[in-house]
Amino acid sequence: EVQLVETGGGLVQPGRSLKLSCVASGFTFNNYWMSWTRQAPGKGLEWVASITNSGGSTYYPDSVKGRFTISRDNAQNTLYLQMNSLRSEDTATYYCTRADYGGYSDYWGQGVMVTVSS
Amino acid sequence: DIQMTQSPSFLSASVGDRVTLSCKASQNINKYLAWYQQKLGEAPKLLIYNANSLQTGIPSRFSGSGSGTDFTLTISSLQPEDVATYFCLQHNSWYTFGAGTKLELK
Repeated sequence: EVQLVETGGGLVQPGRSLKLSCVASGFTFNNYWMSWTRQAPGKGLEWVASITNSGGSTYYPDSVKGRFTISRDNAQNTLYLQMNSLRSEDTATYYCTRADYGGYSDYWGQGVMVTVSS
Repeated sequence: DIQMTQSPSFLSASVGDRVTLSCKASQNINKYLAWYQQKLGEAPKLLIYNANSLQTGIPSRFSGSGSGTDFTLTISSLQPEDVATYFCLQHNSWYTFGAGTKLELK
């Protein structure tokens, strides 16, 4: 059974940093691209970052480029999201997702809440 | 950037009704569209991928159609457990989600 478990969320002040982790199990982690997607309270979904299966390439939308860094440790089956220079608009539930070979996310973690507020 | 427009934003229907949700892309995305169901307080669940392929384990009352810019998710006979918000996702050029359709029971 595919499982994705996110940790690391919490309350952080604007301008500070936070690092999320996602431990994967139930599949061969290093065979799949992985992504982070977020959802602001009561709002829709927004893609945040993606990383290739080897970790050699990463991709971001303009809204987080230069502030967020996605990375992975294939030996530990773990995905990360380093978030710097956080803003109030980054407040959201962050989901770790597995990308099927077709590109869409087929499995999602339960999500972790990040609140950026003074 | 590709924009995704879902309609309607809210839909109220009765058990047993045939329900149709729409998703329109601002440019051609071929067949690269997925549909997700999100129940209150839960993570999204994949229903349909590549516009019309049913994800394993999803009931056959769910179906998808369309290509290019116009797509549809159909629930053939609405069940109480289908109350949720439904999102479409284009993955032709990175990823863009629609704003969602909230489906309620009448």
